[in-house]
Amino acid sequence: DIQMTQSPSSVSASVGDRVTITCRASQGISSWLAWYQQKPGKAPKLLIYAASSLQSGVPSRFSGSGSGTDFTLTISSLQPEDFATYYCQQANSFPLITFGQGTRLEIK
Amino acid sequence: EVQLVESGGGLVQPGGSLRLSCAASGFTFSSYWMSWVRQAPGKGLEWVANIKQDGSEKYYVDSVKGRFTISRDNAKNSLYLQMNSLRAEDTAVYYCARDPTIFGVVSNYFDYWGQGTLVTVSS
Repeated sequence: DIQMTQSPSSVSASVGDRVTITCRASQGISSWLAWYQQKPGKAPKLLIYAASSLQSGVPSRFSGSGSGTDFTLTISSLQPEDFATYYCQQANSFPLITFGQGTRLEIK
Repeated sequence: EVQLVESGGGLVQPGGSLRLSCAASGFTFSSYWMSWVRQAPGKGLEWVANIKQDGSEKYYVDSVKGRFTISRDNAKNSLYLQMNSLRAEDTAVYYCARDPTIFGVVSNYFDYWGQGTLVTVSS
């Protein structure tokens, strides 16, 4: 199975900050990677797919990059509604889909 | 508007069974791969199973193989998860999720999710 490792596990930041979260795959997954945002008590929301494609309706301050084994999610200017937990997910090894352990983004 | 509404969760004893349902609306259900994804309390996300548009292909995470069965009824726009021989480690919120299924091909992403239903396995 492909293992996904996110870093950091948690990060504190302020409104307006630029934040980057990284995700590393245990083997190459080309660009088969998605990012999700989850707020407490809510279902995850798809932000980015195919490593860098922005899902419809998602603000442009969110961006994704990377290929192979190393990926990043960047939020260019944090807004109050962005404080949440973020998960990466590999979509390369059909049908075995795996998620990272999550990164909690907290208010400083 | 795409909607996925899960039901059927609850408290069950170890070794017991439960059937989850997911009612879909706002899209052509029969055209999409569908999945179940779960989240144990305070933990991360775990894909559980998925099913092809016509039900001819089904896949499971190793930890539920032989115990869980995914199915669908396209006439009723519904997805199901039959869970048998339940264990404490199956305790989680179970989400129904849609694969974008672009041009009929599975993409392995999840663009819409239900609100989840809680399954608690405890004596």
